[in-house]
Parts: sequence; structure tokens; C-alpha cells
Amino acid sequence: QVQLVQSGTEVKKPGASMKVSCKTSGYPFDKYGLSWVRQVPGQGLEWLGWISGYNGKTNYAQKIQGRVTMTADSSTTTAYMELRSLTSDDTAVYYCARWNIVISPGDVWGQGTLVIVSS
Amino acid sequence: QSALTQPASVSGSPGQSITISCTGTNNDIGSYNLVSWYQQHPGQAPKLIIHEGTKRPSGVSSRFSGSKSGNSASLTISGLQAEDEADFYCCSFAGSNTWIFGGGTRLTV
Repeated sequence: QVQLVQSGTEVKKPGASMKVSCKTSGYPFDKYGLSWVRQVPGQGLEWLGWISGYNGKTNYAQKIQGRVTMTADSSTTTAYMELRSLTSDDTAVYYCARWNIVISPGDVWGQGTLVIVSS
Repeated sequence: QSALTQPASVSGSPGQSITISCTGTNNDIGSYNLVSWYQQHPGQAPKLIIHEGTKRPSGVSSRFSGSKSGNSASLTISGLQAEDEADFYCCSFAGSNTWIFGGGTRLTV
């Protein structure tokens, strides 16, 4: 079955970087994109960006442009999101989700990765 | 870009119907028939329940339906059940392969 399995909880100091992975399985990696979405505890969902599983093309939310890099490794069907210059405002659960414009905008989600930014 | 506007909470009794609104602009909802809705139970990842404004993924109950008018979209849940109690989020394509979520609505049954 289609699965997205994310890496585990991370604790980071302000100013550090984080890198979360999303291992996909059960579907052709190059036929779908992946979005990254975060959720601050107790708050709503925030779309962060999208990466094509076909050619690695990316689009980022303006809010984090310049601090984020999303990559995809088709040989391991794994996507990564790196976020730099972390602040406490980046403390959140980060989700990856299979994402194509039609039919499947977030039809399958990873389990989420909690990232805590604290001094 | 500001989040789409949803009511913070709605409530209904078992068997009733409720509607959750989602208001955007002519840069997102108004320009594209690409609104999706997600249900999120506490401690779980979101679940896609409506895509392209009105379409239900396989396995999603027909009690969930979506619509759109102008710059707004709506999610209607009919025949409310206790298990429907959750947070609901709308999301719209906003051009240039970017997306924007609503602030979320807590449904109490």
C-alpha cells in the first residue's frame, strides 16, 4: 500500500538547521509530487512547499523562501526538507503529503515529525 | 498571503447537517476549481475528504460534500455522527504551484 514514513523527532537550538526525511513506497515516485505542511501545536495547517517526484522542481511558500530547501532522491524514493536559521516559531509538526494538483492533493500523508526549537 | 477564512468552530447534533465556509480571494478560490478539504482528528495526520471542490476520494462517505461559489467554498456534512467530530481545513491552489490553507474549523457533535 502507499506509505509515507517520516524521520523522528528533532530538538534543535535557535539558529540551527533541521532536515526531515519522507520515505515513500507503494507508488511510482516520479508520477507524483510531494508537499510539506507544518502545524504549530494547537494551531492550523501551513503549506510550506512542493517538490516534483519527476524532476525535482520546487515551489516554496513566500514566508520561508530563502531558508528552505526541498530535495527528492528517486533512487531511494525519499524526499527531504531542510529548514535553516531556526527560531522558536518553527517549532511544529512537519508533514509530508503526496500531492498532485488534481485527484491527489494530499491523498496520503506521513505520520508527522515533531521539531522542537529551544535554547 | 493570508490564510483562507474559516469559522473557528461549528456544532451540530447527531443526524443534523452542518456547513463550513471557506472564504478566499480572486487570486485563489475565485480563480481555480481546486479547493480541497481535510479532516483531522486529534493526534492524527489530516485526511483528504474532498478535492477539486466537489469530488470525494474513494472510501470517503457520501455524507461529505463540497461546493464553490465565487471566492468561497463550502463543506457540508449531512447526517452528523459522533465520529465526525474533528478539525476541518480547506485548501486552495493559489497559482504558480502554491497552495494556501484555511485557519481550520473545529466541529463539535
